[in-house]
Amino acid sequence: ETGVTQSPTHLIKTRGQQVTLRCSSQSGHNTVSWYQQALGQGPQFIFQYYREEENGRGNFPPRFSGLQFPNYSSELNVNALELDDSALYLCASSSRTSGRALDEQYFGPGTRLTVT
Amino acid sequence: SQQGEEDPQALSIQEGENATMNCSYKTSINNLQWYRQNSGRGLVHLILIRSNEREKHSGRLRVTLDTSKKSSSLLITASRAADTASYFCATDAKGNNRLAFGKGNQVVVIP
Repeated sequence: ETGVTQSPTHLIKTRGQQVTLRCSSQSGHNTVSWYQQALGQGPQFIFQYYREEENGRGNFPPRFSGLQFPNYSSELNVNALELDDSALYLCASSSRTSGRALDEQYFGPGTRLTVT
Repeated sequence: SQQGEEDPQALSIQEGENATMNCSYKTSINNLQWYRQNSGRGLVHLILIRSNEREKHSGRLRVTLDTSKKSSSLLITASRAADTASYFCATDAKGNNRLAFGKGNQVVVIP
């Protein structure tokens, strides 16, 4: 158990709908990263939040957006869902100082999103 | 393209044997990390090796890093059925704020 929690565990949505996924980071961690993992693939970086600001973004369209709150928990929002958005969404928390290399990431169990 | 590319993709071994996985990457890195994932659940951090290190041990795990060849290997010694999982390497490239994961190795340890 890493202390990182995600909700919900599973979610089924229809194409065109919007979804919000939530992540509570491990106590003391100020950085949250979100990843999308398609079946049989490695996780793909979506974006990272450090002290409530976006601190890096992967190759995902603007309909993927996020927030980080003062308690360092985070949300991932996806608008206009497409079938290809079906995947396991993972969040990972860590503690870092700006400019430092990434240390180990503590991953949550993930949210399995199915878009029909 | 993905930073990490593991080889081989799937490995089936008998309990007690050693399992070796390789990973290659393309750019300069701060560190390289290995993670384990069981049955599509969250990833568990196994070991981190920094760019100025060549070898690191943690229990039954041994990781090597060759920055001149841009490659790493993960060795699991005396494998157990509980080691059955997918294993991913991930690189923290210089100038980025992200981990880039490979496609993963699926390891099956037969009791």
